[in-house]
Amino acid sequence: AQSVTQPDIHITVSEGASLELRCNYSYGATPYLFWYVQSPGQGLQLLLKYFSGDTLVQGIKGFEAEFKRSQSSFNLRKPSVHWSDAAEYFCAVAPRGNTGKLIFGQGTTLQVKP
Amino acid sequence: DVKVTQSSRYLVKRTGEKVFLECVQDMDHENMFWYRQDPGLGLRLIYFSYDVKMKEKGDIPEGYSVSREKKERFSLILESASTNQTSMYLCASSLIRGVGQYYGYTFGSGTRLTVV
Repeated sequence: AQSVTQPDIHITVSEGASLELRCNYSYGATPYLFWYVQSPGQGLQLLLKYFSGDTLVQGIKGFEAEFKRSQSSFNLRKPSVHWSDAAEYFCAVAPRGNTGKLIFGQGTTLQVKP
Repeated sequence: DVKVTQSSRYLVKRTGEKVFLECVQDMDHENMFWYRQDPGLGLRLIYFSYDVKMKEKGDIPEGYSVSREKKERFSLILESASTNQTSMYLCASSLIRGVGQYYGYTFGSGTRLTVV
């Protein structure tokens, strides 16, 4: 079955530490890939997206993500986390040739310790 | 920037009421979507629309309907609200669909609906 999995429901890191949020997908062909962030009480904001080409994509707020076809993964990374990064993060995919629907993972809540 | 506006941030309704959630976007996007967000379940697609008067069911359409009479407005309707429809509802819009033309969504701020 087609799916998007974020294995970590909740992650806590110290401010200044590095961060990696995992995302795995299960689709027949490489879909379009996205990461969104949701701050408390807010809608979702697009961090970055992958369509094709360079497998390391840069986004806003210092985030990057790496697409690994062999692992069907699209993990989000940040070298040094700031307290303002505390939020919920969603990985999402849009299957190619699909109607444009976006399928979301369950989300990962990031807590940042001072 | 595209703006997606949801008319209410918070709503409290009684069981059995008919509830309307309104969403308006201001950048002439063809596609509009309604999701509900619940802890541990992520975002689940309720309905979506590619054009005026067109609608398609998402993954969890039961208990909901939609209306799109104008391109910029997409309404979600709870025909008879129930307590299990208490949730955060998010509206989104996007540019025309198609391979190579996918730009992701722009989301509204959400409506937190409580059914009592």
